[in-house]
Amino acid sequence: DQQVKQNSPSLSVQEGRISILNCDYTNSMFDYFLWYKKYPAEGPTFLISISSIKDKNEDGRFTVFLNKSAKHLSLHIVPSQPGDSAVYFCAASAPSNYQLIWGAGTKLIIKP
Amino acid sequence: GAVVSQHPSWVICKSGTSVKIECRSLDFQATTMFWYRQFPKQSLMLMATSNEGSKATYEQGVEKDKFLINHASLTLSTLTVTSAHPEDSSFYICSARDITSGTYEQYFGPGTRLTVT
Repeated sequence: DQQVKQNSPSLSVQEGRISILNCDYTNSMFDYFLWYKKYPAEGPTFLISISSIKDKNEDGRFTVFLNKSAKHLSLHIVPSQPGDSAVYFCAASAPSNYQLIWGAGTKLIIKP
Repeated sequence: GAVVSQHPSWVICKSGTSVKIECRSLDFQATTMFWYRQFPKQSLMLMATSNEGSKATYEQGVEKDKFLINHASLTLSTLTVTSAHPEDSSFYICSARDITSGTYEQYFGPGTRLTVT
């Protein structure tokens, strides 16, 4: 049972435009959500996170939105840059649980 | 801050031999470390969780006698792949978390590419 779902395996966006990556979850106990970026043959890099008490968190070009009623979160990257081409993973955590539950990832391709 | 290193970054070994991979947190105390495996074009698969000074907790389907994990200090965890076989060839990634920090973020090492011939 996939508790965290990233339904788009890949996404192609023009450079300079907005990239929107989506993530859905099923476990209402999740209270913290994270986005990681991963290049091939490298470990994931933490990007941005959001607590369930918030609905938006912004850090530079990256903004994460959380819609708890829909159990949906999204990562917005604007403007998209060539270096943003990578696989993006959504992850979620429940209270008192050290583990992160991972989505399958979305490969973002930024076209010049 | 929050840097995690892995060594080696790349290793080739013969079938039947054992390989040890080290994971170090360089600038924080990693009370909890995680070991992941990634197959080509697939998501990260959590293998085990280890807390400093205690036995690792393995995920279902992961052989604890084959993948030995030691977390003897707050800055070092090791994964030993024993009696390696070609199907163990994969990309192994560790991550570390300081649960006393009150945050959920895990910080990842750069990964180790294991090829078993």
